Amino acid sequence: DTAVSQTPKYLVTQMGNDKSIKCEQNLGHDTMYWYKQDSKKFLKIMFSYNNKELIINETVPNRFSPKSPDKAHLNLHINSLELGDSAVYFCASSLGTGLANEQFFGPGTRLTVL
Amino acid sequence: GQSLEQPSEVTAVEGAIVQINCTYQTSGFYGLSWYQQHDGGAPTFLSYNGLDGLEETGRFSSFLSRSDSYGYLLLQELQMKDSASYFCAVRSGSARQLTFGSGTQLTVLP
Repeated sequence: DTAVSQTPKYLVTQMGNDKSIKCEQNLGHDTMYWYKQDSKKFLKIMFSYNNKELIINETVPNRFSPKSPDKAHLNLHINSLELGDSAVYFCASSLGTGLANEQFFGPGTRLTVL
Repeated sequence: GQSLEQPSEVTAVEGAIVQINCTYQTSGFYGLSWYQQHDGGAPTFLSYNGLDGLEETGRFSSFLSRSDSYGYLLLQELQMKDSASYFCAVRSGSARQLTFGSGTQLTVLP
């Protein structure tokens, strides 16, 4: 009965490769997010979708492209991976974008680019 | 833009009380949240303050003063399992997205 799940949990790949991370939530939420957490634990939002519509698109390289096939899924595709992309990527979801709505985070995907 | 400041590390003993402060600078402030993250784990929601004052949830309380752009998380009766990173986060911007502070690493000693 996992609330927010991500696959894979670990991803090790070479520079220049293209990879995808998948996220699914079974909470019935309509808003989903991608965050990047670097080695210093700084957590920064990348994207947010509400009802499959992109509502937040922070300053992220074009190599990162989110896709939301439905409200329960938000995938992240990364082209031409670079060393600096190494980080933990968290998917999260919330019930709407209300101010007090807590965000539920997935377990994270640790991406290592060699 | 937004900026948040919180101490990088705090150490306390079991049973003690610890306060983690957070000051922020942001435009269009909508509220202050706190999240806990254990090593290797995901952030989990602790509390939200939209209005000035104290919110209490069990051993944890959170306070907000919007006029001072300041808030804190108070943890009472500390337990070893409270050792974790604690992040304050503000809701701001046109999309009211969360912007996180750099986190405070709390170590609880026996």
